[in-house]
Amino acid sequence: GAGVSQSPSNKVTEKGKDVELRCDPISGHTALYWYRQSLGQGLEFLIYFQGNSAPDKSGLPSDRFSAERTGGSVSTLTIQRTQQEDSAVYLCASSPRGLGDTQYFGPGTRLTVL
Amino acid sequence: KQEVTQIPAALSVPEGENLVLNCSFTDSAIYNLQWFRQDPGKGLTSLLLIQSSQREQTSGRLNASLDKSSGRSTLYIAASQPGDSATYLCAVNGFGNEKLTFGTGTRLTIIP
Repeated sequence: GAGVSQSPSNKVTEKGKDVELRCDPISGHTALYWYRQSLGQGLEFLIYFQGNSAPDKSGLPSDRFSAERTGGSVSTLTIQRTQQEDSAVYLCASSPRGLGDTQYFGPGTRLTVL
Repeated sequence: KQEVTQIPAALSVPEGENLVLNCSFTDSAIYNLQWFRQDPGKGLTSLLLIQSSQREQTSGRLNASLDKSSGRSTLYIAASQPGDSATYLCAVNGFGNEKLTFGTGTRLTIIP
């Protein structure tokens, strides 16, 4: 079946612009995660959604970062007033129930801030 | 704060050899541990998931072990093949939260 998809695959933007990254999880998966992978920091957790519960935003690095999940499916990660240090690969994952289930990752969006 | 370490950072071995990748973590209060592989420019592929109550999991030529009390896991790859070349990441899932804490990975190269 279809896996986790993300769009765009690559995004180049200028410093100060806003960007939106999209994630389509595996159908039926209730849990959705965003991670960031950068050269200096490795792979870091950003935010977690589970069903209709309030999201765990503990990994968001600043208030310029926000995410929403509409209808329990598609998620959008928004970065406002992008900075060069935001350049990274943003990975989305989903799992059937959360609760420590296997997480299935999308191919990622490579963000470059000039 | 959980910290996950993987040593070595890079490893090259001839095709056909068996090999072991290491992962250590500082907080033994984990829910489970996962091993992933990542190919260049790609996302992560889950290889094995070990629950905290388990000692090992096997899938084909891969075997992962977990010693929770000592904060260690190993990934054993038997009869390595060039297609095994990738970066291998371990990640732990702590109790009370759903996020994975990742190690920095081991870049594996299998030499034909």
